[in-house]
Amino acid sequence: SQELEQSPQSLIVQEGKNLTINCTSSKTLYGLYWYKQKYGEGLIFLMMLQKGGEEKSHEKITAKLDEKKQQSSLHITASQPSHAGIYLCGADTSGATNKLIFGTGTLLAVQP
Amino acid sequence: KAGVTQTPRYLIKTRGQQVTLSCSPISGHRSVSWYQQTPGQGLQFLFEYFSETQRNKGNFPGRFSGRQFSNSRSEMNVSTLELGDSALYLCASSSRQGLYGYTFGSGTRLTVV
Repeated sequence: SQELEQSPQSLIVQEGKNLTINCTSSKTLYGLYWYKQKYGEGLIFLMMLQKGGEEKSHEKITAKLDEKKQQSSLHITASQPSHAGIYLCGADTSGATNKLIFGTGTLLAVQP
Repeated sequence: KAGVTQTPRYLIKTRGQQVTLSCSPISGHRSVSWYQQTPGQGLQFLFEYFSETQRNKGNFPGRFSGRQFSNSRSEMNVSTLELGDSALYLCASSSRQGLYGYTFGSGTRLTVV
């Protein structure tokens, strides 16, 4: 099974609607990173969470880390077509090396 | 501040050939890590270099190798290419232990025919 599970795998929302993407780890989290990717392109860094209970926001995107549940959520408020893409969570589960494991990604489509 | 630069952007090679990909990290970043992304396996860690030393390696065959130079630029080499090596290869640079995050390049799209 995957060390890092993302859900849902895909999501279609109407413009203006809110949505949440979840990322759950089977191992202890030493750092959780959210990225966005347009198909075939590089990863765009969104947010980094390192402490339990930490919550960060950037524009209309908010990410939270629940250290005890080894889980993070990414919430987009009032979605726009520009939010469309693949959202990936990456986690440091070793705490000792610069190695990230990644979830399978969530494909988000926003319908105008 | 320049981002992470990967060259070439696209590459087509024949089975059995070898290929070298290049990654220039953000100035001041000493850690460079490489990832392979395929539709079937997703993003998988290949290896990481810090100050010219490989510190960590993923579960890939020995045909995949890399190195890092004194200016922190890194190269990745794949020998005896197989069709299954077709993928997007991404590199990421970071400062201390990813303290300020990992910045990815745009990737090299390798197609093996």
